[in-house]
Amino acid sequence: SQQGEEDPQALSIQEGENATMNCSYKTSINNLQWYRQNSGRGLVHLILIRSNEREKHSGRLRVTLDTSKKSSSLLITASRAADTASYFCATDVWGGSQGNLIFGKGTKLSVKP
Amino acid sequence: SQTIHQWPATLVQPVGSPLSLECTVEGTSNPNLYWYRQAAGRGLQLLFYSVGIGQISSEVPQNLSASRPQDRQFILSSKKLLLSDSGFYLCAWSGTVAYEQYFGPGTRLTVT
Repeated sequence: SQQGEEDPQALSIQEGENATMNCSYKTSINNLQWYRQNSGRGLVHLILIRSNEREKHSGRLRVTLDTSKKSSSLLITASRAADTASYFCATDVWGGSQGNLIFGKGTKLSVKP
Repeated sequence: SQTIHQWPATLVQPVGSPLSLECTVEGTSNPNLYWYRQAAGRGLQLLFYSVGIGQISSEVPQNLSASRPQDRQFILSSKKLLLSDSGFYLCAWSGTVAYEQYFGPGTRLTVT
């Protein structure tokens, strides 16, 4: 079964609004990462949060991690039309092959101008 | 700076034909290399990863194989394509200490 599951599967918002995406996972992790994929393109790394961290910021991105609930959230503030993309969480599983990531199915974000 | 190349960008192949997709990385040494497949509207499935020349690990049994003939070259192959091999193939690299992965632009494969 999937290690990471994003929620919602799709999200449509207006420009300027905040977008929140959630990720749940099943097993202990070393770190959790978020990636972005524009349609038909490769993935771009956004942010990594380690298992001993609870919150991390990068520009308009805010990521939280709750290891007790095995969940993470990605918040994009003041969204722009250019943020339209699919967003994936990926977990580096503790005890797994070093550096191997397990990706969720993604949240498709649509930001309308 | 590091860059990763994949080619071709798109490919249409008949069932039963061979396949060779190539991935090369520039600007880094001894990277970990990965091949993923992404079905339409789905997440990524790890197919192969490599920690060094000639070292290939397979994550799922399948019709595909991978090779790493040089430090920064990763090749995905098949002797006979199946319809189910259609998808978006992504190559990625990571450092041996850091865990972020950096992806190539992908190859869209359609098997007809």
